[in-house]
Amino acid sequence: AQRVTQPEKLLSVFKGAPVELKCNYSYSGSPELFWYVQYSRQRLQLLLRHISRESIKGFTADLNKGETSFHLKKPFAQEEDSAMYYCAHNDYKLSFGAGTTVTVRA
Amino acid sequence: ETGVTQTPRHLVMGMTNKKSLKCEQHLGHNAMYWYKQSAKKPLELMFVYSLEERVENNSVPSRFSPECPNSSHLFLHLHTLQPEDSALYLCASSQEAGQGADTQYFGPGTRLTVL
Repeated sequence: AQRVTQPEKLLSVFKGAPVELKCNYSYSGSPELFWYVQYSRQRLQLLLRHISRESIKGFTADLNKGETSFHLKKPFAQEEDSAMYYCAHNDYKLSFGAGTTVTVRA
Repeated sequence: ETGVTQTPRHLVMGMTNKKSLKCEQHLGHNAMYWYKQSAKKPLELMFVYSLEERVENNSVPSRFSPECPNSSHLFLHLHTLQPEDSALYLCASSQEAGQGADTQYFGPGTRLTVL
């Protein structure tokens, strides 16, 4: 079955350290991939999408078709980055990975 | 209020009750969605509506019954639920359904507890 995989359920890093959230997909063709984020007591919201090739809140994500990956990266994590992050694929409907909970410690 | 709103925010119901969840979007979108978010499973798509027509029913039990009277409103009618149905139910909307790179906007969710 086509799906999105986030292998890490929990990720803990120190403030100022780099953070990378892994996402792998198994869709054929040209995938449409997104990262969504859910901060504590806030609604789920779009962080970034691969077609925009943008950097949001210091985060970037590069689509690697050879490795079928769309890892999310930030060179210097901040405490306000603590949240739940979901990788998602949209080919008509959004299919989410299991999510990664990121905790940034001071 | 702008964006996507959901009511109620919290709901506790018995297994024999009938209740409804409401979602309203103020974004002029044509597509609306119901998702289930529980601790044990990733976000699960339940239903997709495009221009008030259901275009996806993701093998959801019949005790969940959606209704989309217009493109701004979406309901989820609940009856004879089970305790394992306790979860956060999220509503979302997007400009169109079936668009590969269309951003979805989520509501705050309804926290449902089935006793």
